[in-house]
Amino acid sequence: AQTVTQSQPEMSVQEAETVTLSCTYDTSENNYYLFWYKQPPSRQMILVIRQEAYKQQNATENRFSVNFQKAAKSFSLKISDSQLGDTAMYFCAFMKRDTGNQFYFGTGTSLTVIP
Amino acid sequence: GAGVSQTPSNKVTEKGKYVELRCDPISGHTALYWYRQSLGQGPEFLIYFQGTGAADDSGLPNDRFFAVRPEGSVSTLKIQRTERGDSAVYLCASSPSGLAGHSYNEQFFGPGTRLTVL
Repeated sequence: AQTVTQSQPEMSVQEAETVTLSCTYDTSENNYYLFWYKQPPSRQMILVIRQEAYKQQNATENRFSVNFQKAAKSFSLKISDSQLGDTAMYFCAFMKRDTGNQFYFGTGTSLTVIP
Repeated sequence: GAGVSQTPSNKVTEKGKYVELRCDPISGHTALYWYRQSLGQGPEFLIYFQGTGAADDSGLPNDRFFAVRPEGSVSTLKIQRTERGDSAVYLCASSPSGLAGHSYNEQFFGPGTRLTVL
């Protein structure tokens, strides 16, 4: 079974500052993907960033980057130059590569960007 | 429309009633997924369709839950004899293909249906 743990239920950051959201996971799989999704109050799940487990290089998307530590099963998200529009729930998710492609999500971190 | 749509946006029902939740995936997407998101939790997988058939229904919590996708496009999630514990946001997602072994295909989520069972 796959489990995803987000130990920070709530976080806040000043506008323009940097914040890091934590995620750990447990799996016996070797081929998988890891994701961060953003869910604003509209409930729409929006893909922020994706990491393939076989790639050692950390993924980056503009102001968003990850620190992927495969041996430690850790996958943190760093948001630089935080903006008010970043305020949302953030979910870490795991996907096995070889079957069906369904997600296993963590419990989420509520991020508030303070003006 | 361009994205995944779900109807209704909100549904309030009484305990014991039957409900149907609808998902319209992105045109041409063969894979469709249903998730349930309870308050304060992340989405939990319910069922996955590849075309018209349910490829994996291991996440359905019990036999009160059923889903169909008769023409390989629109899907309906059906809940019989609703219970208060069924109250949640039900999310639908679609992707071009969910077949095992294929390279990753992004799942696109709908806005969900908030179900409240009184």
